Amino acid sequence: TQLLEQSPQFLSIQEGENLTVYCNSSSVFSSLQWYRQEPGEGPVLLVTVVTGGEVKKLKRLTFQFGDARKDSSLHITAAQPGDTGLYLCAGARGAGNKLTFGGGTRVLVKP
Amino acid sequence: GAGVSQSPSNKVTEKGKDVELRCDPISGHTALYWYRQSLGQGLEFLIYFQGNSAPDKSGLPSDRFSAERTGGSVSTLTIQRTQQEDSAVYLCASSLTGGQGGSPLHFGNGTRLTVT
Repeated sequence: TQLLEQSPQFLSIQEGENLTVYCNSSSVFSSLQWYRQEPGEGPVLLVTVVTGGEVKKLKRLTFQFGDARKDSSLHITAAQPGDTGLYLCAGARGAGNKLTFGGGTRVLVKP
Repeated sequence: GAGVSQSPSNKVTEKGKDVELRCDPISGHTALYWYRQSLGQGLEFLIYFQGNSAPDKSGLPSDRFSAERTGGSVSTLTIQRTQQEDSAVYLCASSLTGGQGGSPLHFGNGTRLTVT
């Protein structure tokens, strides 16, 4: 059982549609990060959320941290083919703020 | 270079051989992580180095896996007597640490290991 569960595991949509990816846990995190990974490369940080209830926007991407700091969501508005990739959430907790990753959501945006 | 560098980028080895994977973190980053990723899945934590503290080895899957970090910089992940199930992409990441913000990780492009 993973500490962080992501859903759905795979999402295929048409260009222009909206999508939401979820990251859930029964544990509290001091912060949560979202990464995007493209084939052959390492994950790249998109955003860090720290405060319960926090909402951050990055162009067409909206990130929310749950009030209890146990879950998070990523919403993409009017998705474009360039949004295609593997989206990973990662929570920091414990000594040294060690990061634990979710299983990832693979997003495919078709033109 | 300014980023995390991993070598080799690809490694094919025969079952039973030992392999060494290298990671050069960003200069000044005190934290270094090794993760394993199978076929586009999520990242499986292997080991975590933080400054001069004892490493967190809780993610190493067996005693065939070991890692060291020399001088607080370069790290080497060693897999002894490789098995086919060890085939995966091995990712290294480094970060600054401190506070409650959970410092972002900077990843290398990984080493793709194939055990035949």
